[in-house]
Amino acid sequence: AQTVTQSQPEMSVQEAETVTLSCTYDTSESDYYLFWYKQPPSRQMILVIRQEAYKQQNATENRFSVNFQKAAKSFSLKISDSQLGDAAMYFCAYRSAGGSQGNLIFGKGTKLSVKP
Amino acid sequence: GAVVSQHPSRVICKSGTSVKIECRSLDFQATTMFWYRQFPKQSLMLMATSNEGSKATYEQGVEKDKFLINHASLTLSTLTVTSAHPEDSSFYICSASPVGGGASPSDTQYFGPGTRLTVL
Repeated sequence: AQTVTQSQPEMSVQEAETVTLSCTYDTSESDYYLFWYKQPPSRQMILVIRQEAYKQQNATENRFSVNFQKAAKSFSLKISDSQLGDAAMYFCAYRSAGGSQGNLIFGKGTKLSVKP
Repeated sequence: GAVVSQHPSRVICKSGTSVKIECRSLDFQATTMFWYRQFPKQSLMLMATSNEGSKATYEQGVEKDKFLINHASLTLSTLTVTSAHPEDSSFYICSASPVGGGASPSDTQYFGPGTRLTVL
């Protein structure tokens, strides 16, 4: 079975600085998808970024980028120029590419605080 | 694009009553929708996978007779908590994956805003 581990329960960053959130996963599959979701206090889950495992190029979305290391099974999220609105819980998630269900496997989350 | 709504956003009910929560994909069709439960300061726990036109697939430990799921159309899935008890109080979140071929990738789940259920 696949597992997702987020080893940092809480992180803090100064406004305008850069922070990296860690995520590792365990799988025997070769084709899969990885996601980072943000959950602010409103509790609405918001997709931040997605990565297809077959792509070597790291995904980027504006200030958000990932460092995808397939061999190491690592998928960290870098937030550049941190803003107060980035404060939230961040969940790393894994999805198999095969099969018809497509359910997500979540890590336990990292709570990010942004200091003004 | 890829907006999912949930209704109601908050519900308070008495023990023993049933509560229905609706999950709608507003701008895309979804053959598969997912229902999660989230306890305070915890991650999301998958309860069941809802498939349009067929029976839902429940995760181990989730009582299918207590949490009834109906996915009657490509844009609507409902979760009914039957004979609710205080231990069913939680935050319930649905998500949906678009049918392939649209603007939003079909491998991605888009989440509703959640429903907070309180059972007295």
